[in-house]
Parts: sequence; C-alpha cells; structure tokens
Amino acid sequence: DAKTTQPTSMDCAEGRAANLPCNHSTISGNEYVYWYRQIHSQGPQYIIHGLKNNETNEMASLIITEDRKSSTLILPHATLRDTAVYYCIVPLPLSSGSARQLTFGSGTQLTVLP
Amino acid sequence: EADIYQTPRYLVIGTGKKITLECSQTMGHDKMYWYQQDPGMELHLIHYSYGVNSTEKGDLSSESTVSRIRTEHFPLTLESARPSHTSQYLCASGNRGTYEQYFGPGTRLTVT
Repeated sequence: DAKTTQPTSMDCAEGRAANLPCNHSTISGNEYVYWYRQIHSQGPQYIIHGLKNNETNEMASLIITEDRKSSTLILPHATLRDTAVYYCIVPLPLSSGSARQLTFGSGTQLTVLP
Repeated sequence: EADIYQTPRYLVIGTGKKITLECSQTMGHDKMYWYQQDPGMELHLIHYSYGVNSTEKGDLSSESTVSRIRTEHFPLTLESARPSHTSQYLCASGNRGTYEQYFGPGTRLTVT
C-alpha cells in the first residue's frame, strides 16, 4: 500500500464542515484513495473512495488534488455522531498480483464538539 | 445498511477452552475477512477468504483457524484459548473488484 500521512487528531464544531486531510505523495496512477471511519468500539464503516475526480455521496465528499498527492475528506455538517477515527487508505491496485487487503494505520481522531 | 452478523458479541471464557466465533453475511459477497483489534490499537488482518474453500493468513500471525464451506459463513476457531487471545475480533465482507468492506459489530473476547 502507498504510505499515507494523516494528523493524529482534529476538532470540529457541531454543524460546521469537517475537513480531514491526507497526504499520499507516493501514490501511483492506478491506486485509489479509500476512506473509512471507526466509531468507538464498533467495526469500521466504509465512507467513500476515488481515483482522480472528486466524489460525493450521502456521507461525505472526497477532494483529490490534481497531482493526486493529497486528498481531503469533507463532512459538510458534522454532528456529534461523526466523532470517530477516520482512516485514509491507498491499497495496492486490485490488478496487482499482491493485492489482498486494507492496511488501516492509526488514522485521525475527529472529535465533534457541541 | 450492511447485513453482516457476528456472534457472540461478548465472550468470557477460561484458558484452554475451544471457542468458535461466528460470522455470517447475507449479501452474497465472495470476500470475507477477520481482523483483530486491541483497545486503542490498530486493526490487523488475521485471515481472509476469496471464496468457498479458499482461506489465507493475513499480516498478523494468529493461532486461530478459519473455514469457508459456504459463501455466507466464515467462522473463526481457537482450539485452546489463552489470555493473550483477549481482544476484539471483527469480521468483514466485500465484493470482488473493490476494496469496499462491510464490517460486523465485532466479538469482544476475554480469556481468563
């Protein structure tokens, strides 16, 4: 997997947008960026993934820079229930013979404050 | 909402006992996974399967074993539980062609 770098922790006020950055400067052309989150004591939850274009779904938006060396996950209106550890993952391409698994790392602890 | 189930949710058991953690999914996913996570620590893959009769070990060495006789079922077995096996065990499933994985609620195992 390409190495990713995320801040250890972030705070966000309830109702405001939460912008979670991720650096992945060694990403190659056919590697996707995946985002998951894990609320305390629960299993991780898939959020979104993208290759080069910006992506949006009902949970979040993913903005990938043009050079693809970094991305930002945006939760447009954070709520207290969005408090979780957020993981940015760049796994090996599925076309790769070594592609097998996700490596979760330590992620960013997002705390949404009332 | 993903349909993946794990039982039991909590288990306290004595050293030396044999245990089986159950995981079932109703989504018809080919791929299934077992992860282990200690409190406050990173998630580590211990087993995965790409289909019936296919199982592989993950990055983290584990004394547990798994089987995949049916697509929807991926149980994990510890032949002789030890205190070092105390952890949370998370099961996940996903389709081929994507890294989208759907996780169960986990089993919190305590071996005394």
